[in-house]
Amino acid sequence: RKEVEQDPGPFNVPEGATVAFNCTYSNSASQSFFWYRQDCRKEPKLLMSVYSSGNEDGRFTAQLNRASQYISLLIRDSKLSDSATYLCVVTPMDSSYKLIFGSGTRLLVRP
Amino acid sequence: GAVVSQHPSWVICKSGTSVKIECRSLDFQATTMFWYRQFPKQSLMLMATSNEGSKATYEQGVEKDKFLINHASLTLSTLTVTSAHPEDSSFYICSASRSSSGSVGYEQYFGPGTRLTVT
Repeated sequence: RKEVEQDPGPFNVPEGATVAFNCTYSNSASQSFFWYRQDCRKEPKLLMSVYSSGNEDGRFTAQLNRASQYISLLIRDSKLSDSATYLCVVTPMDSSYKLIFGSGTRLLVRP
Repeated sequence: GAVVSQHPSWVICKSGTSVKIECRSLDFQATTMFWYRQFPKQSLMLMATSNEGSKATYEQGVEKDKFLINHASLTLSTLTVTSAHPEDSSFYICSASRSSSGSVGYEQYFGPGTRLTVT
């Protein structure tokens, strides 16, 4: 079983739509959680950290459910520029520096 | 601030040759650098972690004699793929952190990646 699992998609949505991605992780001792964005053939870029209390950054909302070991990302009012692959990332308890990446969920926002 | 560069951005080499990839932190001192590999439609996989002036720590399954990592200064780490084969073709990405042994993810700054194709 992969340590971090994501639906690969693609999610194909019209502009203005709301879309949600989920991610599950296998290690209950994971300590930090993030969403990264990766454009085609580019490096990943940090989108936001994910906290147990949930956090919001503009059109993006992230939630963490430790009991069920899943993380979610909600994007409201999708823009064409949101088209990318969204990577769920966790760090294990015993290695705070080690980033474990999911394989990503691809989002396509159409006009 | 916190810009990381990689060189080259892409490289094609023949099977059996060695390829060196450079990772530089341009505006900060990176005590720790990380090397990742990403195959098409797969996740980034950490290959190794290097702290300036010490030997790299390799992840399980990564051959240290094949993937030579040098972190001789606080702004430069190099990855050399020795005796490259077609199965080594991949996207190699480095990241750099200011703190020793890295820190939580938001302090890792990624380079733009190097696409290696071995023919």
